[in-house]
Amino acid sequence: DTGVSQDPRHKITKRGQNVTFRCDPISEHNRLYWYRQTLGQGPEFLTYFQNEAQLEKSRLLSDRFSAERPKGSFSTLEIQRTEQGDSAMYLCASSLEEGTGKYGQYFGPGTRLTVT
Amino acid sequence: QKEVEQDPGPLSVPEGAIVSLNCTYSNSAFQYFMWYRQYSRKGPELLMYTYSSGNKEDGRFTAQVDKSSKYISLFIRDSQPSDSATYLCAMSEDSSYKLIFGSGTRLLVRP
Repeated sequence: DTGVSQDPRHKITKRGQNVTFRCDPISEHNRLYWYRQTLGQGPEFLTYFQNEAQLEKSRLLSDRFSAERPKGSFSTLEIQRTEQGDSAMYLCASSLEEGTGKYGQYFGPGTRLTVT
Repeated sequence: QKEVEQDPGPLSVPEGAIVSLNCTYSNSAFQYFMWYRQYSRKGPELLMYTYSSGNKEDGRFTAQVDKSSKYISLFIRDSQPSDSATYLCAMSEDSSYKLIFGSGTRLLVRP
C-alpha cells in the first residue's frame, strides 16, 4: 500500500496528558498537511510542510500544538496538556508541490482522539 | 459566514437516480476545486479535481465549476448504494495550498 498512513488510528487519553500522532506521506510527495475534523464538519486546516520546512500554521493551532517533519519524510503532531475540546479526527494529507502538473491532496485514514 | 457553504442533507435517492451535489463560495481567489467522498470514520477520498471554470467527467461522475456564480456541482449518474457517503467539496487558491472544505452533504442511495 503506497497511500498515506497514520498511527495510531485511535487514541483515548485523559485531560492534561500529552499525545503524539505520526503520519507517513506518499513517498514522492514533498508537501504534507495536517487537518482536524469534528463531527458533522469538513476538515479544517492546521499546518503544512514543504519538505522539512513548516510554511504555514493556522490560528487553530494553539501553542499546545506542535508539528515537525524531520528530514522531510514522516511528520509528527504533538498536543500537550490535552483538553476535551481537542477531541476530533486528526487527518494527514500529502501532495506534490505546485507546478508539477499533478494535483490533489491525498488523505490518510486519520487518528481519532478522545479526551476524557 | 463560512467561505464555503454546502447543504448538509441528508439527501436520500433511489438506486439509479442522478444525484446533484452543490457548493457555493465567497473567495474569488479560489482556482482549484475538488470533491472528496468520505465514508463513516474514514479519511476523505479524492474523487474529482478541476481547475478554474468548466466541466470534467470521470466515469459516472461529472464536476462543474461556474466561477462567475461562485458555484460548483458534482453529478453522480446511475447512483449505487455503495455511493452512500458524505461528499465534501474543497477549494484552494493554488494547487498545493491549504484546502478550505464545505461541511459535507450526506448522501443515502436506497436499493
